Amino acid sequence: GNSVTQMEGPVTLSEEAFLTINCTYTATGYPSLFWYVQYPGEGLQLLLKATKADDKGSNKGFEATYRKETTSFHLEKGSVQVSDSAVYFCALSGNRDDKIIFGKGTRLHILP
Amino acid sequence: NAGVTQTPKFQVLKTGQSMTLQCAQDMNHNSMYWYRQDPGMGLRLIYYSASEGTTDKGEVPNGYNVSRLNKREFSLRLESAAPSQTSVYFCASTRRRQGNAGELFFGEGSRLTVL
Repeated sequence: GNSVTQMEGPVTLSEEAFLTINCTYTATGYPSLFWYVQYPGEGLQLLLKATKADDKGSNKGFEATYRKETTSFHLEKGSVQVSDSAVYFCALSGNRDDKIIFGKGTRLHILP
Repeated sequence: NAGVTQTPKFQVLKTGQSMTLQCAQDMNHNSMYWYRQDPGMGLRLIYYSASEGTTDKGEVPNGYNVSRLNKREFSLRLESAAPSQTSVYFCASTRRRQGNAGELFFGEGSRLTVL
């Protein structure tokens, strides 16, 4: 079946540092890929998505490119802020069934 | 704009008791999902419903049942609660077009403790 693997956390960075959170997937067909973010005490909300190979999703300075050749969808941001501290989840939606599955999440701490 | 509403927000049960988590969405979405969130385990899919009248097992369905009552409502039932079912439960919904899922909209979560 489909699966999502993302890097273990927590990740601690200083403000203005470069961020990469790795996400790889296993899926049949052509899935859609997502990054969701959960701020402290809140529910999950969509950060960005990509629905086909080579698509780049972007939002709030974050970017991720759908790489079919490496089955990856790594999240990047050039300069993180304290307000980016949250838990980030990579997710996959198969196009052969209606399951939407998530990785285990990566907790990010940004130090001022 | 209510979005996805789930009740109750908090519940404490004793082992063996039963309960139902209710979820309703007002966005005319066709697909609805139940997840559980546990520390270190991320979100795990319990059951989902692609459309009214259909339900399917997710990654961790044992110990749960679901009902897609109509297009708006999707309930999750614990028939005989166990301490391993202590978790935060999230309901979510999305609109699927041409086989692709759109953005998932989540409820605020229901924190369940089983003693």
